[in-house]
Amino acid sequence: KAGVTQTPRYLIKTRGQQVTLSCSPISGHRSVSWYQQTPGQGLQFLFEYFSETQRNKGNFPGRFSGRQFSNSRSEMNVSTLELGDSALYLCASNSGVINEKLFFGSGTQLSVL
Amino acid sequence: DQQVKQNSPSLSVQEGRISILNCDYTNSMFDYFLWYKKYPAEGPTFLISISSIKDKNEDGRFTVFLNKSAKHLSLHIVPSQPGDSAVYFCAAVVSSGSARQLTFGSGTQLTVLP
Repeated sequence: KAGVTQTPRYLIKTRGQQVTLSCSPISGHRSVSWYQQTPGQGLQFLFEYFSETQRNKGNFPGRFSGRQFSNSRSEMNVSTLELGDSALYLCASNSGVINEKLFFGSGTQLSVL
Repeated sequence: DQQVKQNSPSLSVQEGRISILNCDYTNSMFDYFLWYKKYPAEGPTFLISISSIKDKNEDGRFTVFLNKSAKHLSLHIVPSQPGDSAVYFCAAVVSSGSARQLTFGSGTQLTVLP
């Protein structure tokens, strides 16, 4: 079974631009979550999608948005990029069963210059 | 306001000895806890978990202990191996929630010296 796939692996953008990150979950998984990892801050929860609906959202500004398609693939968008948005963005999936472990992708490393 | 804290950013241990990684939490609603391991350039991988109805869970070389009264959990690795060198994150969740929102600590870099 293929794991969680995130594209692209690396991205360089400048302030003010917008970016879209993609995540393909493990086949059969309907829940996709997004996390931001910055040095010293651990992983911060962005949002979770289940069956194309956002179920939960973390404390991030509205510049961060996402969506999920009918095939469970998910995209995350960040508009009007700021230097502080430089981070590793991780996507995770599972079937949605409560307390089931998350399976993470390798992440997209975003650098904002 | 960090609800899950890993106060040791790094830990070095000799191969064959015990590694003990600690984690504290403040939210008494957390009732399920997990440990993830992360190598550079890879996503975190699940290691072991524990429900709040237990105080210990073991899986091979890995044991997690939970002290609910102290709001503290620890991960013991015995014996430690060089391949265990990675960043370890503890995470907590409120099971009654409908969503998969894990609250993570900031991580501890474990280095196992040969």
